[in-house]
Amino acid sequence: QKEVEQNSGPLSVPEGAIASLNCTYSDRGSQSFFWYRQYSGKSPELIMFIYSNGDKEDGRFTAQLNKASQYVSLLIRDSQPSDSATYLCAVGGSSNTGKLIFGQGTTLQVKP
Amino acid sequence: EPEVTQTPSHQVTQMGQEVILRCVPISNHLYFYWYRQILGQKVEFLVSFYNNEISEKSEIFDDQFSVERPDGSNFTLKIRSTKLEDSAMYFCARGGLAGANEQFFGPGTRLTVL
Repeated sequence: QKEVEQNSGPLSVPEGAIASLNCTYSDRGSQSFFWYRQYSGKSPELIMFIYSNGDKEDGRFTAQLNKASQYVSLLIRDSQPSDSATYLCAVGGSSNTGKLIFGQGTTLQVKP
Repeated sequence: EPEVTQTPSHQVTQMGQEVILRCVPISNHLYFYWYRQILGQKVEFLVSFYNNEISEKSEIFDDQFSVERPDGSNFTLKIRSTKLEDSAMYFCARGGLAGANEQFFGPGTRLTVL
């Protein structure tokens, strides 16, 4: 069974701090990695994707990928209360049909 | 602007009834997906659909489920005989213009089976 694991949290950080969210996956053949943000009662919103080892930055967000360790992370700099949400890690299967396997999600609370 | 729209936003049905959930892409994409999320649980893949054919389906997607693109635009998920455990949010997603990988979710349909 291919799995994606996340710490469910909640992760609580003060406003302006860096939030660090982590994810591990079991399928070594996975090629694509995504971070979605999900507000309560809403649909997942794609915020970052990464395909190669290393870091990818987009505004306040940085995704990090280490395929050897089967580890993906998301850093949120200068966290804002509006960042409070559940962050879902999703991994593209090795079958290349677009199927995504999601983790349970980490709830982030940014306190003013 | 939503990437796809979904109707209805909420569907209540009796156990054993058939339901059809609809997804309308905003623009002309080839890759579509259905996912579901039971309250408090993970988002689960149901089926992927490329160029009007199923490309992969999960073990959840049994004979009770079917997908169609009847008019070349709307994309439907049919559940033939609903069970209590089918109660969930159902999300339609579309792939990116460059391919399947990046997926953009619609607002979802909340299905409640009584």
